[in-house]
Amino acid sequence: GAVVSQHPSRVICKSGTSVKIECRSLDFQATTMFWYRQFPKQSLMLMATSNEGSKATYEQGVEKDKFLINHASLTLSTLTVTSAHPEDSSFYICSATGQGGYNSPLHFGNGTRLTVT
Amino acid sequence: AQSVAQPEDQVNVAEGNPLTVKCTYSVSGNPYLFWYVQYPNRGLQFLLKYITGDNLVKGSYGFEAEFNKSQTSFHLKKPSALVSDSALYFCAVRPSLGGSTLGRLYFGRGTQLTVWP
Repeated sequence: GAVVSQHPSRVICKSGTSVKIECRSLDFQATTMFWYRQFPKQSLMLMATSNEGSKATYEQGVEKDKFLINHASLTLSTLTVTSAHPEDSSFYICSATGQGGYNSPLHFGNGTRLTVT
Repeated sequence: AQSVAQPEDQVNVAEGNPLTVKCTYSVSGNPYLFWYVQYPNRGLQFLLKYITGDNLVKGSYGFEAEFNKSQTSFHLKKPSALVSDSALYFCAVRPSLGGSTLGRLYFGRGTQLTVWP
């Protein structure tokens, strides 16, 4: 149980285009999802917290107009990287809290490797 | 401020030997502590958690962790390492107090474990 599916796993796009990444909770309802970014050999950097039906909460330094997050349902959150540039190339990972509340671990998607050329 | 420290970037052990991956934390209130493992180009997999109760927590794949409140540590251990345990390990803490920070995980920077045959 508690599977999080993230799609696509890998995407290559040209500079200036937009890319959408989907994160789905397959067998549970996720009222809160988190989006992380990971640089090579580094830890996860929290980008934003996504709550179903409300605006995402962005971490300091993360451009909300560049990284658009939508959490329209209890099982789907999307991250759109707008007008992508090579410096946006990274590994993006979503996660969701299970229904056990704060005692429950985060469940992670398998990540999306974004390469902007 | 909430924080997690993993003092070792790299841990190398021989197969069959015991392993320890260190983690210390600083958090408001009682901590919820987690260990995750990440394989290349994949998301994070949950290993184990400490919420309350016994200080020794057993998790997946034969791993265990010991919560030490006085030393604010939560070291990951395994009695006999396998080559397949080679991966990136993250310690994380979730505060049980803190208003807007409630619910989010704070990650250490990760420790690369290498088990050689």
